[in-house]
Amino acid sequence: SQTIHQWPATLVQPVGSPLSLECTVEGTSNPNLYWYRQAAGRGLQLLFYSVGIGQISSEVPQNLSASRPQDRQFILSSKKLLLSDSGFYLCAWSVISPNEQFFGPGTRLTVL
Amino acid sequence: AQTVTQSQPEMSVQEAETVTLSCTYDTSESDYYLFWYKQPPSRQMILVIRQEAYKQQNATENRFSVNFQKAAKSFSLKISDSQLGDAAMYFCAYGRGSQGNLIFGKGTKLSVKP
Repeated sequence: SQTIHQWPATLVQPVGSPLSLECTVEGTSNPNLYWYRQAAGRGLQLLFYSVGIGQISSEVPQNLSASRPQDRQFILSSKKLLLSDSGFYLCAWSVISPNEQFFGPGTRLTVL
Repeated sequence: AQTVTQSQPEMSVQEAETVTLSCTYDTSESDYYLFWYKQPPSRQMILVIRQEAYKQQNATENRFSVNFQKAAKSFSLKISDSQLGDAAMYFCAYGRGSQGNLIFGKGTKLSVKP
């Protein structure tokens, strides 16, 4: 069966520090991968998605970036965090069709 | 552009009763998928039910069922025999298989009263 992991689960970082969140999927090959951000009490905002190694599409221009160095690994990064980067970050994977997405447990990021 | 609208920010239901959450969407496509996701306090997103647009029959998963009205672009979720564990945020989502990414509504917070 497929599983998806995210780490860390919780992170507190100062403004201006770098960020690296990691997501890995097991039990499937060549999945589509996604990064979402969710502000408190709000819906999901798609940040990035990837259909293959090295292929990244950005949905929202900001100081975040994503990379996919391996088939089942997806990394969300920032060189300098802003206060507005605080939120709950979710990674998800899907097959092409039907494209229901399966989510990881999420990372709660607080930028102080 | 496709949009998904959940017009009920909050809903409440008595334990063992039935509740219906509303969702409407806008698309010019004829082939797509619709989903309901549940997000409990743990914030893990859990797929509740899926509906393929080409299927006329409404999807059912145990106590969860949908009322899919394609012409009206409506996709409501009915929860029967509500349980305390059903308390969560519920998100409606739209997707097209060829593109992969989903479009989510803003969610409905469901409370279940004992």
